[in-house]
Amino acid sequence: DTGVSQDPRHKITKRGQNVTFRCDPISEHNRLYWYRQTLGQGPEFLTYFQNEAQLEKSRLLSDRFSAERPKGSFSTLEIQRTEQGDSAMYLCASSPQTYTEWTGNTIYFGEGSWLTVV
Amino acid sequence: DAKTTQPPSMDCAEGRAANLPCNHSTISGNEYVYWYRQIHSQGPQYIIHGLKNNETNEMASLIITEDRKSSTLILPHATLRDTAVYYCIVRVEGGANSKLTFGKGITLSVRP
Repeated sequence: DTGVSQDPRHKITKRGQNVTFRCDPISEHNRLYWYRQTLGQGPEFLTYFQNEAQLEKSRLLSDRFSAERPKGSFSTLEIQRTEQGDSAMYLCASSPQTYTEWTGNTIYFGEGSWLTVV
Repeated sequence: DAKTTQPPSMDCAEGRAANLPCNHSTISGNEYVYWYRQIHSQGPQYIIHGLKNNETNEMASLIITEDRKSSTLILPHATLRDTAVYYCIVRVEGGANSKLTFGKGITLSVRP
């Protein structure tokens, strides 16, 4: 499978604990995006990387959230001191940077990582 | 801020065409119209996109009006597996700000 891969798919954690999600983008996609989705809502943008550089962060990304992409390949999203309001699905997506006739510039999503904070 | 407007829901009979409308009256000249769908508990799935010409692929057809202020996604022969939330999104290709901004989408229910 050469799609976007996310791990773990499901995580249940106690309030106050730290959690980390990993995303492996489609090979050679140099843009990587993180989104959050709560029940009944569309996905909300959190942040995106171009290679290893984090180019944009949403106001939704509080100080407890940190995302990294150290080598421009996989990325991690860490949530510190989790709160019940952090319960959501965390989506990762990737795309090429430059539009080409062959690859386009389409953004492809993984299956998401579900977080439940109890 | 979503730049598209979609009805909240619609349904159609299995085997019939599903025509999903979308308004994007403030679309800019360099913005494409993208459609994604999300089946319950899964990540969004790319369907199709276009700039001004009508587009067709193995999943659907996209009809964009000449003034580009609205579009219609057509699923020619809807099946029960097409029941999902469909998102219409306008997006600049490439560039520094090419992220997708989702609205609430339209929930399509395909009935047997």
